[in-house]
Amino acid sequence: DAGVTQSPTHLIKTRGQQVTLRCSPKSGHDTVSWYQQALGQGPQFIFQYYEEEERQRGNFPDRFSGHQFPNYSSELNVNALLLGDSALYLCASSFRQGRNQPQHFGDGTRLSIL
Amino acid sequence: AQSVTQPDIHITVSEGASLELRCNYSYGATPYLFWYVQSPGQGLQLLLKYFSGDTLVQGIKGFEAEFKRSQSSFNLRKPSVHWSDAAEYFCAVGAWKTSYDKVIFGPGTSLSVIP
Repeated sequence: DAGVTQSPTHLIKTRGQQVTLRCSPKSGHDTVSWYQQALGQGPQFIFQYYEEEERQRGNFPDRFSGHQFPNYSSELNVNALLLGDSALYLCASSFRQGRNQPQHFGDGTRLSIL
Repeated sequence: AQSVTQPDIHITVSEGASLELRCNYSYGATPYLFWYVQSPGQGLQLLLKYFSGDTLVQGIKGFEAEFKRSQSSFNLRKPSVHWSDAAEYFCAVGAWKTSYDKVIFGPGTSLSVIP
């Protein structure tokens, strides 16, 4: 039973560039949430996708956007990268938006901005 | 709005000693609560969860947590710590809204274990 998988594992970009991160949810899950975890901090909620729509969003600018595909996989896109975007980006999946059940997390993508 | 505090940024214990990590939450209704553990460079692994019922919850790796509504707390405990327990621990609070769930994480407590 495959868990949540994220790619790539590590990524190095420069300021102003754009990046796309990918996530495949755990088998049987249909909801994907994205989190940003800066060094030494807890994960901060970016947004959640369910039925190919963004269902809720945290306090992140429009530079952060996403997409969910019919097979429930998801992408996180970040435009005009800033130094402050350097972080571990975590994807979490759940079923039916996670009501009364925990999210399962992937190992994350480490994004470094130079 | 939900919020979570973990008063201890860093804790050091000796191997074999007992452990308690503190978590306090703020939420207007009954929340659901989680503890996750994160090893360096890894994602988050669920240790245990509370949704309803018995306020003492058993989790994996010998951990347990107790929900105390009167104190708005959900402290994590382990009777005897192993060196492999050294990691970052996150408490999280969730709430089911009209059409979605919202999970807020605390800042984390870093656990070091002395052999």
